[in-house]
Amino acid sequence: QKEVEQNSGPLSVPEGAIASLNCTYSDRGSQSFFWYRQYSGKSPELIMFIYSNGDKEDGRFTAQLNKASQYVSLLIRDSQPSDSATYLCAVIRYGGATNKLIFGTGTLLAVQP
Amino acid sequence: DTEVTQTPKHLVMGMTNKKSLKCEQHMGHRAMYWYKQKAKKPPELMFVYSYEKLSINESVPSRFSPECPNSSLLNLHLHALQPEDSALYLCASSQGRRGETQYFGPGTRLLVL
Repeated sequence: QKEVEQNSGPLSVPEGAIASLNCTYSDRGSQSFFWYRQYSGKSPELIMFIYSNGDKEDGRFTAQLNKASQYVSLLIRDSQPSDSATYLCAVIRYGGATNKLIFGTGTLLAVQP
Repeated sequence: DTEVTQTPKHLVMGMTNKKSLKCEQHMGHRAMYWYKQKAKKPPELMFVYSYEKLSINESVPSRFSPECPNSSLLNLHLHALQPEDSALYLCASSQGRRGETQYFGPGTRLLVL
């Protein structure tokens, strides 16, 4: 089982719809969860981080965390063509003096005009 | 300000060349990272510096040599690379040992001929 799993997609949604991106993780001790957006040929850009169970909203983005079920999701409301990108879910793996960020393989989102 | 800068943006080198990638941040972060990313794959951790000391080397070949001259700068020295080393090289930084949110620079696109 991979440490962080995402559906690679592509996830295709029409403009204006809600895009729902999901991620599961295997380490029950994980405390910190991140969503990065990566446009083709560019570097990852932090969208959201979430530490507590429940929802966290920032503009059109909502991150949802359920530690009991070990999943974290990202909702994008009113999706725009400019949201078309790969979305990387990442989880902190704790160990020693330095923590590591463990990435899922990413979900490609395509918003159709 | 969450800016991490990287130079150069693009680099083409032969297998016998020696070159260096540079990364700089002025956020007061004390952890800095090098990642390698191949097309359609997530970033892959190479090295971590924590408080200017190398804390993680993910069994990276010795043709890659990291250096952290001070808390704001991170270099990656390249020597005798192979064509399969062609990739996007990403630098990231975070606050410190338990400061977990990583911010990425724009990356250096490396092509080894």
